[in-house]
Amino acid sequence: SQQGEEDPQALSIQEGENATMNCSYKTSINNLQWYRQNSGRGLVHLILIRSNEREKHSGRLRVTLDTSKKSSSLLITASRAADTASYFCATDDYTGGGNKLTFGTGTQLKVEL
Amino acid sequence: DAGITQSPRHKVTETGTPVTLRCHQTENHRYMYWYRQDPGHGLRLIHYSYGVKDTDKGEVSDGYSVSRSKTEDFLLTLESATSSQTSVYFCAISGSGDRPNYGYTFGSGTRLTVV
Repeated sequence: SQQGEEDPQALSIQEGENATMNCSYKTSINNLQWYRQNSGRGLVHLILIRSNEREKHSGRLRVTLDTSKKSSSLLITASRAADTASYFCATDDYTGGGNKLTFGTGTQLKVEL
Repeated sequence: DAGITQSPRHKVTETGTPVTLRCHQTENHRYMYWYRQDPGHGLRLIHYSYGVKDTDKGEVSDGYSVSRSKTEDFLLTLESATSSQTSVYFCAISGSGDRPNYGYTFGSGTRLTVV
């Protein structure tokens, strides 16, 4: 079953613009993470936000979490062509047997020059 | 990716044959995972391991088995490959010592085609 659902499925913007993608999930979580995947490559961990946090920053990335709405957003500011990739949210339902992550279906971001 | 390698990178196999994919890590991480990635489904967990000889099933474990006899190696076996198992398979690791760090490090993936 899919825990996270990203919106939009695809996003095309111009270099220098901001990109916002959203993630909704269904059950209680311990934390939520965002990953980037360049074409044909493995996923790369970007940022983690815990359930008791509301906002987190890392460089040009800003993540928000609203546990009452079971949703998160990832903002990439001043986007670059190199940001072109797929972005996935993942939720951690840690139960003591390892931090298993459930991934969403992803947002494909294209940043054009 | 640094510290984690998957082999082979590409494989074509026939329906009904057994296939083993290997994940090797040099990070001494306790936790290891196998996911498959398919269009429209994102990544789905097949099996995971929380220590040597300690493994458990994920969301889509039917038709797959795993083994972990050493900290550094996690093997995924398709017992009798079917066309529905055509996919890209990713191994991931997390954690150090006895407590998991939450971010995963992924391998580069194995593209498996079952004909």
